Amino acid sequence: GEDVEQSLFLSVREGDSSVINCTYTDSSSTYLYWYKQEPGAGLQLLTYIFSNMDMKQDQRLTVLLNKKDKHLSLRIADTQTGDSAIYFCAESFNDYKLSFGAGTTVTVRA
Amino acid sequence: DVKVTQSSRYLVKRTGEKVFLECVQDMDHENMFWYRQDPGLGLRLIYFSYDVKMKEKGDIPEGYSVSREKKERFSLILESASTNQTSMYLCASSAQGEGSYEQYFGPGTRLTVT
Repeated sequence: GEDVEQSLFLSVREGDSSVINCTYTDSSSTYLYWYKQEPGAGLQLLTYIFSNMDMKQDQRLTVLLNKKDKHLSLRIADTQTGDSAIYFCAESFNDYKLSFGAGTTVTVRA
Repeated sequence: DVKVTQSSRYLVKRTGEKVFLECVQDMDHENMFWYRQDPGLGLRLIYFSYDVKMKEKGDIPEGYSVSREKKERFSLILESASTNQTSMYLCASSAQGEGSYEQYFGPGTRLTVT
C-alpha cells in the first residue's frame, strides 16, 4: 500500500512564510499534488508537480520535491488570513486513484 | 470550470435507514470517486467508477454500495446507516487519458447518523 504522511498542525504569523511538509513511501508515483480545503468546503487543487521535476513555482506557492528522500513541501510566501485552511498532500500512480495524507491544518495568526 | 455538485450539504438520518448521496459532474469526466473524510485520517476512498455501470472497491467499501447509470451521476448508498458512518462525504471526478489525473471535488455532504 501507499502511505502519505503530514504533520497535523501548523501555526504561522501573518506575513511570514509557511512551509508544509509531506513524505510518501512509493517511489513509483507519477504526480504529487497539494489541495486546499477551506472550512465547510470541498478540496480545491492548488498545484501539482510531475515526479521528474524538482521545483515548481506559482505566484506565492513554491513546491519542492526531493525524490531521494521522498519528501514534498509547499511553501506559501507572505501568508495571509485567507490561507488558513487544511492542506492535503496526495500522490498518484499509473491509474486514476490518488492517495491522500491526513491533512495539515494551517492557522494564520495576526 | 469543472463543477461537481452534491445533493445535500447536511443530512441527518436514523440508524438503520437507507441513505442515498448523489453526485453530478458537468465536465464529461469518465472517473468518479466517493471518499469519506474524518479528522486525523484524511480522505479514504470508498468506491471508484471509471465508466458507466463500472465500479471498483476502494479502501473502505464495507457498508456502502454505489450506482453509476449515467456518465455524469454517481450515487453512494448506505444500505443500513450506522452511527460509525457519521462523517463528511466527498465526491470527485477526473478525466482519463494522459495527464496529471487531478481530481475535482464537490462541496461535501456532512452526514450525521443518530
